[in-house]
Amino acid sequence: AQRVTQPEKLLSVFKGAPVELKCNYSYSGSPELFWYVQYSRQRLQLLLRHISRESIKGFTADLNKGETSFHLKKPFAQEEDSAMYYCSTGANSKLTFGKGITLSVRP
Amino acid sequence: DTEVTQTPKHLVMGMTNKKSLKCEQHMGHRAMYWYKQKAKKPPELMFVYSYEKLSINESVPSRFSPECPNSSLLNLHLHALQPEDSALYLCASTQGDHWGLSGANVLTFGAGSRLTVL
Repeated sequence: AQRVTQPEKLLSVFKGAPVELKCNYSYSGSPELFWYVQYSRQRLQLLLRHISRESIKGFTADLNKGETSFHLKKPFAQEEDSAMYYCSTGANSKLTFGKGITLSVRP
Repeated sequence: DTEVTQTPKHLVMGMTNKKSLKCEQHMGHRAMYWYKQKAKKPPELMFVYSYEKLSINESVPSRFSPECPNSSLLNLHLHALQPEDSALYLCASTQGDHWGLSGANVLTFGAGSRLTVL
């Protein structure tokens, strides 16, 4: 069965510092991987998907099949990046979420 | 219209009440989902409807009863709930009903219905 692991619950950084939110996956086939974000008082929304290889709001995530990882990175954090971030994987008719990590960016 | 709309935003009910949560999307999405989310926790899948048919029930207690009247609407009927059922209930939809293929399947979430059971 597909599973994603987010090993940390909280990451607190100062504005301008680099950010790396970790995600490891276990899946026997070719996974579809996503990062979803939930800002305070806003709905859960897609941030990135691995298939797109795009940068959204300065965030990137590269699929590393050797390390089975899909870490989310941003070189310079902004205060507005403070939110809950969920790594997720889709297989068949289910999207499974990791436990999530709270990113807090201090001024 | 690129949104999933959920009503009501807030609901308070007693353990003997019967109420319903409603969800609507007009994006032509073929799959619709109910998730339950507790504070600071990830969403937990409850039900999946694919082409208006129930395709997944994640062993949800029968006091939760989903209904999909048509391809745009999804309801969740609530009856004899317990206080531990208090949570944010999220509706979502996807264009297709499968992952592991094109990478095009993206969940679009509603804002949620916050349920409090007294």
